[in-house]
Amino acid sequence: AQRVTQPEKLLSVFKGAPVELKCNYSYSGSPELFWYVQYSRQRLQLLLRHISRESIKGFTADLNKGETSFHLKKPFAQEEDSAMYYCALRNNAGNMLTFGGGTRLMVKP
Amino acid sequence: KAGVTQTPRYLIKTRGQQVTLSCSPISGHRSVSWYQQTPGQGLQFLFEYFSETQRNKGNFPGRFSGRQFSNSRSEMNVSTLELGDSALYLCASSSRGDSSYEQYFGPGTRLTVT
Repeated sequence: AQRVTQPEKLLSVFKGAPVELKCNYSYSGSPELFWYVQYSRQRLQLLLRHISRESIKGFTADLNKGETSFHLKKPFAQEEDSAMYYCALRNNAGNMLTFGGGTRLMVKP
Repeated sequence: KAGVTQTPRYLIKTRGQQVTLSCSPISGHRSVSWYQQTPGQGLQFLFEYFSETQRNKGNFPGRFSGRQFSNSRSEMNVSTLELGDSALYLCASSSRGDSSYEQYFGPGTRLTVT
């Protein structure tokens, strides 16, 4: 069975500090991983996906198959980054996503 | 382009009743997925429909069912409601059935069972 674990429910940092939101997964096949973000009073939206290897809003995430991790990183946090972040894994048959429990990021001024 | 819409936005039902929630995907999208979000269990996949066919189903009891119409609109139904069914129900649409195409989420329907 596939599983996604986000060990931190809450992460609080000061503006300008580096941020790393952890995500670990278990999956028997070749994983497709995503980070979704939900800002206050907004819809859940895709932040980035590992296959595109892009940087969105300064965030990057690298898939480490050896450590089965997909941690989200940003070198300098901004107050507008405060939100709920979800790591998700897609199985190979359709659009079924398995989500982690989420991490609330709070960036203090 | 209009986003994913869900109706109603809020709903209060009594134990034992049944409920139907509706999701209108983005125009042209053929895949609709449903998720249940609760504080205790987080976001859990319910089912996915693609071109009117259920393609994936999560680990929920048979009281949870869904369907998709020819215009890609989708409904989910929960029969014999239980207190534990209180949750935010999200639907997401995608233009195709693979991860190459982003899933767009709706605002959700907040169901409260009393």
